[in-house]
Amino acid sequence: SQTIHQWPATLVQPVGSPLSLECTVEGTSNPNLYWYRQAAGRGLQLLFYSVGIGQISSEVPQNLSASRPQDRQFILSSKKLLLSDSGFYLCACRANGGEQYFGPGTRLTVT
Amino acid sequence: QKEVEQNSGPLSVPEGAIASLNCTYSDRGSQSFFWYRQYSGKSPELIMSIYSNGDKEDGRFTAQLNKASQYVSLLIRDSQPSDSATYLCAADSSYKLIFGSGTRLLVRP
Repeated sequence: SQTIHQWPATLVQPVGSPLSLECTVEGTSNPNLYWYRQAAGRGLQLLFYSVGIGQISSEVPQNLSASRPQDRQFILSSKKLLLSDSGFYLCACRANGGEQYFGPGTRLTVT
Repeated sequence: QKEVEQNSGPLSVPEGAIASLNCTYSDRGSQSFFWYRQYSGKSPELIMSIYSNGDKEDGRFTAQLNKASQYVSLLIRDSQPSDSATYLCAADSSYKLIFGSGTRLLVRP
């Protein structure tokens, strides 16, 4: 079965600082990978998804970007954080069109 | 815009009762459907998947799918206080899942 790692678990960053969140997956090959954000008390917002190395689809225009440098690595980045970027960031993995699993998440607070 | 709709709740049931959670979806092309449980401050956890019309049972959970009505439901039998959480319904659409906003379930001891 697949295991999804995300780090860090929590992060406090000042407005205008850069961001890099990493997600790695074990136990599967060539999965679809996803980044979601969940604001406090809200639903899941799909930010990016990737069906293969170097292939990124953006769902919501914003100051975030994503990259997939390796098959089982997915990175979420920002050059300058905004207050509105605060939230719970979740990486998810789906293999062969089957079930989708979430990582433990990173709680980001922008101050 | 493809959507999955759920009642936000809270749905309050007494301990030992059956909790019934429902969702509807708009994409007739969706073939796979999922229920996730999310405790406060935690990531969503997959509890059920269903792919064909009818019922699918797993322990205290039963998922029901009616593609003609574009309706998915989750029944939780013998509800426990530990079942108190937000339940997310999702339908697949191309490469991604469309999630509902979730139904908050409260199980009263």
